[in-house]
Amino acid sequence: AQSVTQLGSHVSVSEGALVLLRCNYSSSVPPYLFWYVQYPNQGLQLLLKYTTGATLVKGINGFEAEFKKSETSFHLTKPSAHMSDAAEYFCAVSHHGSSNTGKLIFGQGTTLQVKP
Amino acid sequence: NAGVTQTPKFQVLKTGQSMTLQCAQDMNHEYMSWYRQDPGMGLRLIHYSVGAGITDQGEVPNGYNVSRSTTEDFPLRLLSAAPSQTSVYFCASSLPGPSYGYTFGSGTRLTVV
Repeated sequence: AQSVTQLGSHVSVSEGALVLLRCNYSSSVPPYLFWYVQYPNQGLQLLLKYTTGATLVKGINGFEAEFKKSETSFHLTKPSAHMSDAAEYFCAVSHHGSSNTGKLIFGQGTTLQVKP
Repeated sequence: NAGVTQTPKFQVLKTGQSMTLQCAQDMNHEYMSWYRQDPGMGLRLIHYSVGAGITDQGEVPNGYNVSRSTTEDFPLRLLSAAPSQTSVYFCASSLPGPSYGYTFGSGTRLTVV
């Protein structure tokens, strides 16, 4: 069964500091990995995704994530936090396979607070 | 393009009432899903569909029914609402395949009293 674990339900950083949001997945087959962002009272917006190929993927708003198969991780980073980055972030996984077709499974989410 | 449209945006139900949350997409996406979002629990998959006439259960299907008669629409039915179904519900759609990612609607906030 596929699953996603996000370490840390709340992360607080100062404006201009590095952002690191952690995501680990469980999978017996190659995964497709996603990061979504949710601003207050809104739906989810795709930040970036890993499918195949380059393991370092770049997304919108200066975010990037690195797929590390040996560590089953897909951590999200941004070199310098901005006040507008304050939101909830979700990691998600999907797979090929008849039992998983169409499923996108999410982690519990991490709320990012950015302090001035 | 409207994308994924959910109606209503807000709803208050009494315990035992029934209702249907509507979801429509205009992107010709084969895949559609319903999630519920609760504090500290992320988004949990209720039901999903990989095409018209095909639906399957997700992680938390109890108390909910779905059908998919057209590619565009994927309504979620609550037959007898319970306070435990108080949540924010999101509908999402995707091109067929696990690599595309889903496009989300803006959500329906449901309160059951």
